[in-house]
Amino acid sequence: QKEVEQNSGPLSVPEGAIASLNCTYSDRGSQSFFWYRQYSGKSPELIMSIYSNGDKEDGRFTAQLNKASQYVSLLIRDSQPSDSATYLCAVGTGTASKLTFGTGTRLQVTL
Amino acid sequence: AAGVIQSPRHLIKEKRETATLKCYPIPRHDTVYWYQQGPGQDPQFLISFYEKMQSDKGSIPDRFSAQQFSDYHSELNMSSLELGDSALYFCASSTTGTNTGELFFGEGSRLTVL
Repeated sequence: QKEVEQNSGPLSVPEGAIASLNCTYSDRGSQSFFWYRQYSGKSPELIMSIYSNGDKEDGRFTAQLNKASQYVSLLIRDSQPSDSATYLCAVGTGTASKLTFGTGTRLQVTL
Repeated sequence: AAGVIQSPRHLIKEKRETATLKCYPIPRHDTVYWYQQGPGQDPQFLISFYEKMQSDKGSIPDRFSAQQFSDYHSELNMSSLELGDSALYFCASSTTGTNTGELFFGEGSRLTVL
């Protein structure tokens, strides 16, 4: 079992809809959780970080964390074609430590 | 704002050759990470440095070595290159503190081994 699991997709949503991306992790000691967006051939770009249970909103993005269920999600409201990318879930276990990435979910926002 | 700078952006080598990748972190960032991303794969952690000392080690082959210098730039040295080493190599930097783990990635160095 991978340490961080995501559905590889592609997840296809129409423009203006809500995209829901999910991620589960296996290490209960994980303390920090991140969503990165990666366009093809480009570097990952930090979208959201979340450290405590609950929701965290930033513009059209909402990250949700449930440590009891070892589950973190990303909601993208009013999806735009420019949101089409691979979204990587990443989990950290301590200070100044490496992140473990999931394989990413490819999102396609259709016109 | 200054970002993470990586060089070279593209590199073509033959099998069994050596390659060196360079990374200049964001100013005042104290931690540097190296990741390897093969085609269609997630980034795989190789190694990290905190304040010029190795802080964590991942799936880095023995043929690879890395270090961080006094000016905080880092170099990844790869020897006896194999075809499977062809990948995008990302360097990322971060700062410890309240936003620990928020990595900022460079544009990557694409290594092709022929």
